[in-house]
Amino acid sequence: SYELTQPPSVSVSPGQTARITCSGDALPKKYAYWYQQKSGQAPVLVIYEDSKRPSGIPERFSGSTSGTMATLTISGAQVEDEADYYCFSTDSTAIEVFGGGTKLTVL
Amino acid sequence: EVQLVESGGDLVQPGGSLKLSCAASGFTFSGSAMHWVRQASGKGLEWVGRIRSEAYSYATVYAASVKGRFTISRDDSKNTAYLQMNSLKTEDTAVYYCTSVDIWGQGTMVTVSS
Repeated sequence: SYELTQPPSVSVSPGQTARITCSGDALPKKYAYWYQQKSGQAPVLVIYEDSKRPSGIPERFSGSTSGTMATLTISGAQVEDEADYYCFSTDSTAIEVFGGGTKLTVL
Repeated sequence: EVQLVESGGDLVQPGGSLKLSCAASGFTFSGSAMHWVRQASGKGLEWVGRIRSEAYSYATVYAASVKGRFTISRDDSKNTAYLQMNSLKTEDTAVYYCTSVDIWGQGTMVTVSS
């Protein structure tokens, strides 16, 4: 079955750049989406179609892809960005999948 | 207001059935693919399945873990999507969310236990 691989955790100090990666064989041909989930809350879409930012999402959030890897970058991470982040994409048979999630710590 | 509201979560015995609903408002529901996603306590997000719009013949696809047991449907006249869950297992215990990818509901809790 198709898998998206994320690091379990990333830690940065406030104001630093946080980068969260997502690796998957189909990513060169399929879009990546990124969700932020804070404790006890529903997920929020922060990046769609690899690099587009929904309205209301701060400009410090950006997305990119290169080959089989998608990257979520938070430039100048804030304490309020501390959350779990999930990538989401599709395989060649239309089965969709989430990455395992990355816990971002900002302190 | 753009929103999705799930309902129908409950405590059910293993082997039992349950039907969840997802009511949409504030956006063009009929043109949107709708997904169901679940999250067990302390675990990550797990995609369950999705149904596409009428333009795509309401095509459905499911995760291997639920294929053959769960069925997704929709009623565009009611702006509502459904998740019929049969042959429930203890491992199906989770918060179930519906989502159009950009919009998420608040989730409904399903507990499978004897």
